[in-house]
Amino acid sequence: SYDLTQPLSVSVALGQTAKITCGGFNIGSKNVHWYQQKPGQAPVLVIYRDYNRPSDISDRFSGSNSGNTATLTISSALDGDEADYYCQVWDSNSVVFGGGTKLTVL
Amino acid sequence: QLPLQEPGSGLVQPSQTLSLTCDVSGVSTSRGPNSWSWIRQPPGKGLEWIGYIYHTGRTYYNPSLNGRATISVDRPMTQVSLKLSSVTVADSAVYYCARAFVRVNPFYYYMDIWGKGTTVTVSS
Repeated sequence: SYDLTQPLSVSVALGQTAKITCGGFNIGSKNVHWYQQKPGQAPVLVIYRDYNRPSDISDRFSGSNSGNTATLTISSALDGDEADYYCQVWDSNSVVFGGGTKLTVL
Repeated sequence: QLPLQEPGSGLVQPSQTLSLTCDVSGVSTSRGPNSWSWIRQPPGKGLEWIGYIYHTGRTYYNPSLNGRATISVDRPMTQVSLKLSSVTVADSAVYYCARAFVRVNPFYYYMDIWGKGTTVTVSS
């Protein structure tokens, strides 16, 4: 099965840039999607197909994907960005999620 | 946003079948016919994909569930159902339904609209 590896936690100072990585073999050849999940809430799609943003998502969220790593970048981090973030791909007729990264805004 | 899932069954006894439904009648079809996913999240853990039903009716499931899951949709396309048989304590989780945005050429799949989730506890 295909594995996606995310750091358990990332910290960022208020107003700075956070980068959350998602590692997988040749992930650059796949479409990667990212979800934000705040405590007690359902996940929300923040990036689809590597770098596209849904219309209601802030342009502070961006994505990239190359080689063995996809990256979600959150610029000018706000307190409201504190959440768990999950990457997702499709592989061998299944959805695969990364284990999730807890973003803390200091 | 999808309406809240019907509770279906908040408490299920071990070895029984979990049954959930999701009202999807309010979701737009402006982007084409909809496909639907079920995802779950055990307490304090990450997301686990259960499966999805393509708008043609074809279904795909997480192999780790060993054939215990069945997803169906009624023909008016108003409700999507999940049945999970032979449940154990390990099946206790928040269960989400979500629209699966699927394109086949090139292929990609993501979930762009999520329900609020419903908590299911497996216990005797």
